[in-house]
Amino acid sequence: KAGVTQTPRYLIKTRGQQVTLSCSPISGHRSVSWYQQTPGQGLQFLFEYFSETQRNKGNFPGRFSGRQFSNSRSEMNVSTLELGDSALYLCASSFTGQGNEEQFFGPGTRLTVL
Amino acid sequence: QQQVKQSPQSLIVQKGGISIINCAYENTAFDYFPWYQQFPGKGPALLIAIRPDVSEKKEGRFTISFNKSAKQFSLHIMDSQPGDSATYFCAASKRGATNKLIFGTGTLLAVQP
Repeated sequence: KAGVTQTPRYLIKTRGQQVTLSCSPISGHRSVSWYQQTPGQGLQFLFEYFSETQRNKGNFPGRFSGRQFSNSRSEMNVSTLELGDSALYLCASSFTGQGNEEQFFGPGTRLTVL
Repeated sequence: QQQVKQSPQSLIVQKGGISIINCAYENTAFDYFPWYQQFPGKGPALLIAIRPDVSEKKEGRFTISFNKSAKQFSLHIMDSQPGDSATYFCAASKRGATNKLIFGTGTLLAVQP
């Protein structure tokens, strides 16, 4: 069974640009969550989607947005990039998105903002 | 109240020794406590998880001890091996229809041969 895949794996952008990251969950999983990982702030929750609906959102500015498609694939978008957006962006999937359910993480997209 | 505090930040253990990582939380609404292992260049992978209705859970060399009254839980790695060298994160989530995990700050474990 294929794991969670994220594309692209690496991305370099300049300040002010926008970026779109993609996540394909494990087949059959309907919940996708996104996390930002930085050395200073650790792993921080961005948002969670279930059946194409955003179910939960972390404490990030409106420049960060996401969506989920009918096949459960998800994208996140960051507009007007800032240097501080440089991070590893991880997505995780699970079957139903219940709080005590195992989440499977992808390898992440490493975003560098110059 | 949303924080999960993790210590130590880094840990060096000799091969065959016991590695112990501690976490503490404030929010009593948390009811699921997983531990994740992350190797460089990889995403976190679930190692072991516990619910508050049990005080201990063991899977192979990995054990979670849970103290509900103290709001603390810890990961014990018995017979630590060089292959266990990784970053370990504790996390917590609330009951209900949400997958939101609150992570600790991570512990970099180095097991020396």
